[in-house]
Parts: sequence; structure tokens; C-alpha cells
Amino acid sequence: EDQVTQSPEALRLQEGESSSLNCSYTVSGLRGLFWYRQDPGKGPEFLFTLYSAGEEKEKERLKATLTKKESFLHITAPKPEDSATYLCAVQGTNAGKSTFGDGTTLTVKP
Amino acid sequence: DGGITQSPKYLFRKEGQNVTLSCEQNLNHDAMYWYRQDPGQGLRLIYYSQIVNDFQKGDIAEGYSVSREKKESFPLTVTSAQKNPTAFYLCASTRGVLIGETQYFGPGTRLLVL
Repeated sequence: EDQVTQSPEALRLQEGESSSLNCSYTVSGLRGLFWYRQDPGKGPEFLFTLYSAGEEKEKERLKATLTKKESFLHITAPKPEDSATYLCAVQGTNAGKSTFGDGTTLTVKP
Repeated sequence: DGGITQSPKYLFRKEGQNVTLSCEQNLNHDAMYWYRQDPGQGLRLIYYSQIVNDFQKGDIAEGYSVSREKKESFPLTVTSAQKNPTAFYLCASTRGVLIGETQYFGPGTRLLVL
């Protein structure tokens, strides 16, 4: 059974204070690892897809990396508008299903 | 604009009542999904459909039913058998079911029990 564990559950940062969110996973035959951003009361918004260990992707202040056991979402010099819940999901050999972690809620104080 | 619409935004259910949540997409995507999200938790898969007139149970299908009569529509019925239906329901779609297909999500429906 595929499993995803995200840590920490909650993270409070000062504006400009860089940090990382962790996503540990076990999956039978990784087909893709996904990062989403979710604002309160809204649907998740796609950020990145990573397919193989060593892959990295960047978008503005966010950078996602992938190893064989975990993924990190690095946030550089965050701003208050980066406050949200960040969800990680994996897709294994059953390409029709994704397994989600419980998310990390990020709060960035000005 | 292409996207996924869900209605209503809020839905109230009386005990013993069946209610139906709507999900429509104009992305021409083949696959559609229903997830349930409880406070502080991730998304759990209820049902998914990879093609019209076919669907599969997810991890928590008990007390729910779906239909897929049209490519663009995937309604979810919460039946009276679902004893704890209060949650945030999210519909998603993907272009297909190939490797690493990105899921696009609707805005969600919040279901509350009266």
C-alpha cells in the first residue's frame, strides 16, 4: 500500500526566513510525485510533478527536489502570500490513483 | 476558460436523505475523481472514472455512489448509508491515466449535516 507522510504538520516563519517541507513516501513503482498548494476553503492548485530521483523543479520562491525516499519543497525568502497548506501526493503502478499526505500548513508572518 | 466546476458550494443534508454533488469539466479530460477531505487531513479517494460508463471504487467508497454517463460530468451521491458525511468534497480530472498525469481540481463542495 502506498503511503505519504508530510512533516512538519505546521510551520511558522518570519517573512524572508527560508525553510523546507518534507514528504516521505513508500510506493510500488513511482510514476510521479506531486506538490499542490491549497488555500483555506479552496481546491488544491498544482505546483510541480517530479518523476525520478535527482530531479528538481523551480517556480518563483519554491523549489522541489526528489530522492528515492523523500521529496523536499524548499521555500526561499517567503512572503505572507505564501501562507497555505502544501500537499504532497504520489502515484504508483496503479496509474489511476494518487495517495495524498496530510499536508503542511505554512504561515508566514510579515 | 477551461476548468472544473462544482455545485453547490455548500450543501446541507438531513438525516436519512440522499444528496447529489455536481462536477462538470470542459477540459476534454478522460479521467475524473472524487475525494473527501476532513479537517487537518489529506485527500482520500472515493471513486474514480477513467472512461465514460466505467468507474472504480477508491479507498472509502462505502455510502457513496457515482455515475459517468457523459465525459464532462461525474456526479457524486452521498447516500443515507454514509453515517459521517460532513466533509469538504473535491472533484478532479486528468487528461488520461498515463504516467504522472497532473490532477486539476474544482473549488469543492462543503457538505454539512443538519
